[in-house]
Amino acid sequence: SQQGEEDPQALSIQEGENATMNCSYKTSINNLQWYRQNSGRGLVHLILIRSNEREKHSGRLRVTLDTSKKSSSLLITASRAADTASYFCATDAWGGGNKLTFGTGTQLKVEL
Amino acid sequence: DTAVSQTPKYLVTQMGNDKSIKCEQNLGHDTMYWYKQDSKKFLKIMFSYNNKELIINETVPNRFSPKSPDKAHLNLHINSLELGDSAVYFCASSLLREGRETQYFGPGTRLLVL
Repeated sequence: SQQGEEDPQALSIQEGENATMNCSYKTSINNLQWYRQNSGRGLVHLILIRSNEREKHSGRLRVTLDTSKKSSSLLITASRAADTASYFCATDAWGGGNKLTFGTGTQLKVEL
Repeated sequence: DTAVSQTPKYLVTQMGNDKSIKCEQNLGHDTMYWYKQDSKKFLKIMFSYNNKELIINETVPNRFSPKSPDKAHLNLHINSLELGDSAVYFCASSLLREGRETQYFGPGTRLLVL
C-alpha cells in the first residue's frame, strides 16, 4: 500500500513567499528523502534526512523529521517561479535495500 | 554527459505487443531500479538490481521482465502489453555499497498502449 501521504496536494503561492509541504509515513525508516519533479521530467534529489536527525538545511530548503509522529516537512524559503514543480517525499525502510516508497506528492505553483 | 539515460523517450504501441525499454547509467553505480508513475503521478518501485542481481521484485505481473546485462544497464521487457500498462517508466541508479542512498533518475519513458 502507499507509504506516504503528502499535504497539501496542491499549493499556489506568490514569488517570494515560503512554501511548506508535509509528509506522513507509516513504518520505521532509515532515512527520508525529498525529490522534485518538473513537468514531463525525471525526479531530482533535493535532500536526505536520516532517522537520527531532526532538521537539515540546504540552501533555501529546510527539512524537519519527527519520527515519533512519523512525519516530515519541507520548507522552501523565498520561493521563485522556477520552484514550480511537484515535490515528493520518499522513505527508505531499514533493511529495504534502498527501496524508496514515495508519497503522493505536492504540486507547487509559484506565481510571479 | 547524461548520467542516467533511457530509450525510447516515447513509446506508442498496440495492445498485445511486446516492447522493451533500455536504461544506461554512466555514474559507476552498482544498483539500478525501475519505477512506474501512473497518470495520478503515483510513483511505485517495480524492480531493483544490485551488481546484476535482482534484489527488489515488487508485485508486478510476470509480463514484466527486467534484465541486467552489466552493472551499467538495466532493461525492461514487457510482453503482451495491456491498456493499464500505459504510464511513465523511470529508471534510477544509486551506489548502495557505499551507503549513498540518493537515487538518480532518468528522464522517463512515456508508454501509451492503444
